[in-house]
Amino acid sequence: AQSVTQLGSHVSVSEGALVLLRCNYSSSVPPYLFWYVQYPNQGLQLLLKYTSAATLVKGINGFEAEFKKSETSFHLTKPSAHMSDAAEYFCAVSDVEGNKLVFGAGTILRVKS
Amino acid sequence: GAVVSQHPSWVICKSGTSVKIECRSLDFQATTMFWYRQFPKQSLMLMATSNEGSKATYEQGVEKDKFLINHASLTLSTLTVTSAHPEDSSFYICSARDGGKETQYFGPGTRLLVL
Repeated sequence: AQSVTQLGSHVSVSEGALVLLRCNYSSSVPPYLFWYVQYPNQGLQLLLKYTSAATLVKGINGFEAEFKKSETSFHLTKPSAHMSDAAEYFCAVSDVEGNKLVFGAGTILRVKS
Repeated sequence: GAVVSQHPSWVICKSGTSVKIECRSLDFQATTMFWYRQFPKQSLMLMATSNEGSKATYEQGVEKDKFLINHASLTLSTLTVTSAHPEDSSFYICSARDGGKETQYFGPGTRLLVL
């Protein structure tokens, strides 16, 4: 069975500071990994995905994530936070066919001015 | 590209009534659509997977007779909550996947409130 653990239900950073959202996964098969962002009362928007190609994945809005198999991690980073980054972020894992996305509990990112 | 819409965005109904939610892929053909439920301050939980022209596959614990899913075309799936009760109040989100591709694209969600 696949599972995702997101460390920290709330993360607070200052505007301009580094954003680091942590995600660890468990999977018995080579995983596909995703980061989605959700703004209040909206659906999910895909930020980036890892599908067994390059381990460093660049996404939209300046975000990137690095797949580390040895650490079973897929942490999301952004060098400089903007106020508009305040949202909830979900890490998810699926099998190679893209079925059954399993989501982490989510991390709410707060950006302070 | 890869836009998914849902209708309605909000629905309030009385206990015992049925509610239908539509999910449409606007610019691609969705061979597979998924329905999720999200309770306040919680993550998304997969309810069911539907392939066009086939019966939906429900996750454990999801009542198939209560949550009727129809995926009659490559661009439309519907979720009907039958005899809704207050505990069914939630945020329902659909996603769609183009056949052969691994990414799911999500709709904006439908907030259901059952009084």
